[in-house]
This record gives sequence, structure tokens and C-alpha cells, in this order.
Amino acid sequence: AQSVTQPDIHITVSEGASLELRCNYSYGATPYLFWYVQSPGQGLQLLLKYFSGDTLVQGIKGFEAEFKRSQSSFNLRKPSVHWSDAAEYFCAVGARGGFKTIFGAGTRLFVKA
Amino acid sequence: GAGVSQSPSNKVTEKGKDVELRCDPISGHTALYWYRQSLGQGLEFLIYFQGNSAPDKSGLPSDRFSAERTGGSVSTLTIQRTQQEDSAVYLCASSLAAGETNEQFFGPGTRLTVL
Repeated sequence: AQSVTQPDIHITVSEGASLELRCNYSYGATPYLFWYVQSPGQGLQLLLKYFSGDTLVQGIKGFEAEFKRSQSSFNLRKPSVHWSDAAEYFCAVGARGGFKTIFGAGTRLFVKA
Repeated sequence: GAGVSQSPSNKVTEKGKDVELRCDPISGHTALYWYRQSLGQGLEFLIYFQGNSAPDKSGLPSDRFSAERTGGSVSTLTIQRTQQEDSAVYLCASSLAAGETNEQFFGPGTRLTVL
């Protein structure tokens, strides 16, 4: 069965520091992979997605993620965090040819000045 | 409309009452999804529609929960005899078609509070 693990419930980084949010998935084949961001009081917004091809994916707001098949990981990165990046981040896995997207429990990012 | 809309944005109800939550997907999107987000939790899949049919209802927590979609557009999630544990944010999402890109566009959610 598909599953998604985000090991960090919350992370605090200083503004300007680099960021990496971890995501591990379980799926029998190569899945669709997504990162969403949920700002306070807002709906979820897609940051980036991986379907195939280049394993380093660029997204909006300066985020990128790397698909590593051998590690079943899809970690999200940003070289320099801004205070406005404080939000909750969800990694998600979708089955190819299927209809259900499984979301991780989320990682809440705090940014300190 | 430009995005997915949900109504009401907030709903407070008494235990035992029925509630209806509405979702208006992006025009032209044939797939529609309902999720529940409890405080401090991730998104829990409830049900999805392809057109007006719901091939996967496996996530509905109990028979008190039901959903329908009419005209391939608006969907209603109904919770009967609400319980306090039903308190959560209910999110709706739509996508062009289930099984293609699976990229989902989310509405702002309905916050349900059961007293």
C-alpha cells in the first residue's frame, strides 16, 4: 500500500538559512510525487511535482526537490528561507493510473529572524 | 470560477445535527476529492468523484458520512448526526481528470466545529 512519511513534525530555521524537508514514500512502482504548501488560513498550493525525467524538479517560490529512487525519497529544499515561507508543507504520492493521492502528516516550518 | 470554492467557510453545529458542506470545483475539472484535516494532522482522504460517480468511498469514516455530485460539477458532503470527533477542516480539491496528472487544486476549506 502507498504511504508517505514526513519524519519532522516541525522545523525551525533562521531567515536566510538553507532548508531541507524530508519525505519518504512507499510505493511499488515510480509514483507521482508532489509537495504542497499550506499557509495559515489558506488552502493547499502546489509547490512542485515529479512525474518522470529529470530527478531534480524546480518549483515555485525558489523551491526544488530531488527524487531519489534508491532511497524512496523526495526531499524539498530551498537555499535561502524567507520569513514568508513559514507554513505547513505536505509531501504527497499519487498512483500512476490511479486516483488517490496520499498525503504525509505535514511538516510545520517556523522561520526565526 | 477561477478556483475551487467551498461553503460555508465556517460551520458551528450542535452534536446530533446534520450538516452539508458544499464544493464548487474549477470549471472543466472532472475529478473532485474530499479530504478531512483534523487539528495537527495531515490530510485524510474521504472520497473522490470522476464525473458524478464515486469509484472510491473507502475513506468515509462511517455511514454517517455521504457525498454526492450532480451535473459533474458541484459536490455536497453530508454528515448526519454529527459527533464532536467530526470537528475538522474539510477540504475539497479538483483536477482535470482523475488518473492523468493527479495535480489537485484545493479550495480554502470548511472549518466544522461540533459542540
